Amino acid sequence: DAGVIQSPRHEVTEMGQEVTLRCKPISGHNSLFWYRQTMMRGLELLIYFNNNVPIDDSGMPEDRFSAKMPNASFSTLKIQPSEPRDSAVYFCASSSGIGGELFFGEGSRLTVL
Amino acid sequence: DAKTTQPPSMDCAEGRAANLPCNHSTISGNEYVYWYRQIHSQGPQYIIHGLKNNETNEMASLIITEDRKSSTLILPHATLRDTAVYYCIVRDAGGTSYGKLTFGQGTILTVHP
Repeated sequence: DAGVIQSPRHEVTEMGQEVTLRCKPISGHNSLFWYRQTMMRGLELLIYFNNNVPIDDSGMPEDRFSAKMPNASFSTLKIQPSEPRDSAVYFCASSSGIGGELFFGEGSRLTVL
Repeated sequence: DAKTTQPPSMDCAEGRAANLPCNHSTISGNEYVYWYRQIHSQGPQYIIHGLKNNETNEMASLIITEDRKSSTLILPHATLRDTAVYYCIVRDAGGTSYGKLTFGQGTILTVHP
């Protein structure tokens, strides 16, 4: 199994630009989670989906952030417009069933200049 | 989800057992204790989980006190590769939380030669 696949692994962009991060969950998993990690705030849950439906987006910092899951094998996290304070590592994770173990991707390191 | 308290850092000599404590005094009856670790620059990795009884797998052992207010993760023979941040998480494995994980600051375990 390929595991959770995230792209890009690294992204450097300028303030004001749109950023799209992508995630392919493990096949057969029906829950998907987006996390953000910074030195100051640690690992924060941004949003999670169950069966492609957003369940809780209360962790999304502001309206500049949006996430979609158009089908069971793909999700995106979009930041528009990006700001330097959005610089972080963004992790995607998936799990099978409600209480299943979470499998994390390798993360997407975002730097906004 | 119940809050957990972990020491910020610990050291361990290579080949010795590493015992990582965690307090979760407000844990409720339907909440499990999970342990994840994060090796530098990687996504968090599942280690083990338990409800009441002690658990053991190929990576570690989990000892949960009878009152379930605290637990200890044991790495029986620590290696340099076990140097990581270890997260103790109390998780409602069902219901409206959909099994989400809320990470605290964790314990930085350093294994030295």
